[in-house]
Amino acid sequence: KQEVTQIPAALSVPEGENLVLNCSFTDSAIYNLQWFRQDPGKGLTSLLLIQSSQREQTSGRLNASLDKSSGRSTLYIAASQPGDSATYLCAVVKETSGSRLTFGEGTQLTVNP
Amino acid sequence: DVKVTQSSRYLVKRTGEKVFLECVQDMDHENMFWYRQDPGLGLRLIYFSYDVKMKEKGDIPEGYSVSREKKERFSLILESASTNQTSMYLCASSWDGYGYTFGSGTRLTVV
Repeated sequence: KQEVTQIPAALSVPEGENLVLNCSFTDSAIYNLQWFRQDPGKGLTSLLLIQSSQREQTSGRLNASLDKSSGRSTLYIAASQPGDSATYLCAVVKETSGSRLTFGEGTQLTVNP
Repeated sequence: DVKVTQSSRYLVKRTGEKVFLECVQDMDHENMFWYRQDPGLGLRLIYFSYDVKMKEKGDIPEGYSVSREKKERFSLILESASTNQTSMYLCASSWDGYGYTFGSGTRLTVV
């Protein structure tokens, strides 16, 4: 069974700092890996999607990398801002699971002004 | 702008009631999903559907059923609500494992 783990569970940083969120998964036979953002009491917003054949994806200040063989992904946030405060969720689509997502429990990020 | 719309943001129901949670998407996606989210347990898949009138059980289907009579609408049904079904419910749609869009969520409280 695919398991997804995110470390750390919570992170507090001062504004302007660069930071890295980590995600690991137990079954490397994935179709893609996705990073989402969730604001308190809200739904999920898709940030980045990395296909299994790709190594990284970038969007603005966000960069996500994927090392499929080691079962790891990182989300790098450059020059963090208070508006980045949210919970960040990593999820994988397994090759044989159709398109269903398996989620990690998330990293709660607080960026202090 | 593409959207997944969940009919209620907050819902309070009594134990034993039959509860319908509605989800509508406007992107012509084949796939639709219902998740529940609980502190310490993360998001867990309840049911999903690949096409009209088709449904598949997820990881925690007990106590739930679903209906997909039209491509754009996916309903989650709690046949007899119980307090342990108090949770945040999230609907999503996708195209072939890509382009996931989530609704804003329904926070259901069963009293």
